[in-house]
Amino acid sequence: AQSVTQLDSQVPVFEEAPVELRCNYSSSVSVYLFWYVQYPNQGLQLLLKYLSGSTLVESINGFEAEFNKSQTSFHLRKPSVHISDTAEYFCAVGGGATNKLIFGTGTLLAVQP
Amino acid sequence: GAGVSQTPSNKVTEKGKYVELRCDPISGHTALYWYRQSLGQGPEFLIYFQGTGAADDSGLPNDRFFAVRPEGSVSTLKIQRTERGDSAVYLCASSLGLAPDTQYFGPGTRLTVL
Repeated sequence: AQSVTQLDSQVPVFEEAPVELRCNYSSSVSVYLFWYVQYPNQGLQLLLKYLSGSTLVESINGFEAEFNKSQTSFHLRKPSVHISDTAEYFCAVGGGATNKLIFGTGTLLAVQP
Repeated sequence: GAGVSQTPSNKVTEKGKYVELRCDPISGHTALYWYRQSLGQGPEFLIYFQGTGAADDSGLPNDRFFAVRPEGSVSTLKIQRTERGDSAVYLCASSLGLAPDTQYFGPGTRLTVL
């Protein structure tokens, strides 16, 4: 069975400060890891993913995440956040025969001026 | 190109009624998924189609829920005898169907059962 834990339901941060959103997973099969973002009143959008290869993956808007197999983690980081990064962030694990996604409960990133 | 579309965007119904929710996947995507997102929660898997067949329906909560994809493209999620606990946002996603794979989500249908 697979599961995802997002330890923080809400992370308040000031603009231009660094941020880390935590994600831990458990899985008995090979894993593929994803971060999705949901901006206010919009649908889920893929932010970045780890399928194989380099354990450090990056998005086009400055976020990065590192797959750590020994710690079963896939934390999301950004060195300097903007107001426009305010959104709900969901970590998800996929894999197995159907590749269905198991999501965490989400972390609301609230960027303040 | 066009993304995943879902209709209606909002649906309000009364307890006990029947509802249908529609999903139009990205053209050429053979895999289609339905998820349900309750308030304050992450999306929960309901059912997965590969082509026309339901390859995994282990997430459907009970036999009031049913989904079809008769021609391998558009899918309809059907809920009979709706209950207030069915109120949620129902999300559809599609992918190319080649694992590992990226799922692309539609905007969702917000279902409210009064």
